[in-house]
This record gives sequence, structure tokens and C-alpha cells, in this order.
Amino acid sequence: EDQVTQSPEALRLQEGESSSLNCSYTVSGLRGLFWYRQDPGKGPEFLFTLYSAGEEKEKERLKATLTKKESFLHITAPKPEDSATYLCAVQGGSEKLVFGKGTKLTVNP
Amino acid sequence: DGGITQSPKYLFRKEGQNVTLSCEQNLNHDAMYWYRQDPGQGLRLIYYSQIVNDFQKGDIAEGYSVSREKKESFPLTVTSAQKNPTAFYLCASSEDRGRNTQYFGPGTRLTVL
Repeated sequence: EDQVTQSPEALRLQEGESSSLNCSYTVSGLRGLFWYRQDPGKGPEFLFTLYSAGEEKEKERLKATLTKKESFLHITAPKPEDSATYLCAVQGGSEKLVFGKGTKLTVNP
Repeated sequence: DGGITQSPKYLFRKEGQNVTLSCEQNLNHDAMYWYRQDPGQGLRLIYYSQIVNDFQKGDIAEGYSVSREKKESFPLTVTSAQKNPTAFYLCASSEDRGRNTQYFGPGTRLTVL
């Protein structure tokens, strides 16, 4: 059974304090790993798709990386507007997306 | 603007009532999905459809029903058989069900009174 575990559950940072969120996964035949951002009361907003180990993608202050067992979402010099819950999901051979429970990030000014 | 719309944003249901949640997309995507989100849990798949007039049960389909009469629309009915329907419901779509990113709508929050 495909599984996704995100850590930490919650993270508080000061503005400008860089850090990383972790997404550990087990999947049969990885088709893709997805990162989303979700603001309270809203639908998830797509950030990145990674397809194979070693792949990296960047967008503004965010950088996602992928190994065979985990993915990291690196946040460089975060701002208060980066505060949100970040969701990780994997798609394996069943084609179904399996989501983690998310990491709630708070960036204080 | 291309995207996914869901309505209503908030929905209140009395015990024993059926309610229907709307999901429309103008992205020309073939596949559409319904998820349920509860506090402290990951998104769980209710139903999905890869093509018009065809749909499949997800992990938690009991107490729900769907239809896919048009490519753009995938309504979800929460029936009185659903024991704990209070949740945040999310609709998504993708080009197909293969190696494609799913894009989400804004969600509907359903509360049972």
C-alpha cells in the first residue's frame, strides 16, 4: 500500500529563517510526486511535480527535491505570505494520488 | 480564465437529507475527482471519472453518488446514508488519469445540522 508521511506536522519560522519540509514515501512504481500549498478554507494550489530521483524544481523561494525515499521542500528566506499548509502526494502504479497529512508552516514577521 | 469552480462555498444539511455539490471545469480535462478533507487527515478519494458516462469508486465511496453526463461537470451527491458527512469537499481535474497533475477547485464546506 502506498504511504506518505510528512514532517514536521507544524513549523514556526522567523521571517528570513530558511528551513525544509520532509515528505517520506513508499510507493509501488512512482509515477510522480506532487507538492501543493493550501491556505485555510481554500483548495490546494499546485506547486511542483517531480518524476524521478535527482530531479529538482524551483519557484521563487521554494525548491523541491526528490530521492528514492523522500522529497524535501526547501524554503529560502521565507516571508509571512509563505504561511500555509504544504501537502505532499504520490502517484504510483494504481494511478491514485495518496496524500500526506501536511505540514502547517507559520512565518512570523 | 480557465479553472475549476465549486458551488456552493458553504452548505448546511439536515439529518436525512440528500445534497448535491457542484463541480465545473473549463480546462478541457478528461479526468475529474472528488476528495474529502477532514482535520488532521490527508485528502481521501471518494469517486473519480476518466471519461463521460463512466466513473469509479474511490476509497470512501459509501454514502456518496456521482454522475458524469458532460465533460465539464462532475456533481457529487451526499446521501442520507453517509454517516458522517460534515467535511470539506474538494473537486479536482487532470488531463487524464495517467502521469498528470491534478488541479483543485476552491472547495465546499458541508455541515450537518
